[in-house]
Amino acid sequence: SQQGEEDPQALSIQEGENATMNCSYKTSINNLQWYRQNSGRGLVHLILIRSNEREKHSGRLRVTLDTSKKSSSLLITASRAADTASYFCATTPDTGNQFYFGTGTSLTVIP
Amino acid sequence: DAGVTQSPTHLIKTRGQHVTLRCSPISGHKSVSWYQQVLGQGPQFIFQYYEKEERGRGNFPDRFSARQFPNYSSELNVNALLLGDSALYLCASSTRLAVHNEQFFGPGTRLTVL
Repeated sequence: SQQGEEDPQALSIQEGENATMNCSYKTSINNLQWYRQNSGRGLVHLILIRSNEREKHSGRLRVTLDTSKKSSSLLITASRAADTASYFCATTPDTGNQFYFGTGTSLTVIP
Repeated sequence: DAGVTQSPTHLIKTRGQHVTLRCSPISGHKSVSWYQQVLGQGPQFIFQYYEKEERGRGNFPDRFSARQFPNYSSELNVNALLLGDSALYLCASSTRLAVHNEQFFGPGTRLTVL
């Protein structure tokens, strides 16, 4: 079973707009990561945020983590057509060496 | 620099057969993890190996096994294939324990079980 769930399942926006996707998870975590996947290919790591961090930035990406609500959000600013992909959150529970991906958000950026 | 490589890229098997998938990590990476991704779903964690030892296992039956070699490459073996094993199998490598660090993914092996 998967630990996380992304919301929304699908998102369609115009180029230049911001895209926000959310991730909820079930158990206490050590860290949370976001990955991007283009058309069923290998995943690309975007950002890692540890459980003692609340916000992290990388280029046009901003990730927040609220451990009290067991949720995270990924914001992509000034979106581009090349950002079209599926986005997954992935969590590491604070007990055990497993890794759980969420269900994913499919983002379409319209030129 | 070469990224994570996986072989074969595509594979067709019939029910009951056995399959071996191979993965070569990025040079210098000592951790390899395996994932199964069924169409339309997120990847599911199968195994994590670090320094040639199993360091994590997902909720998969014993038909799934893996090993890591002295050069840190890895094999995933699946016995007694079922139709439900049809999926994209992804390998990822990282410098240290995968679950605590950035992972670099290969392109995957598409397995079809008929």
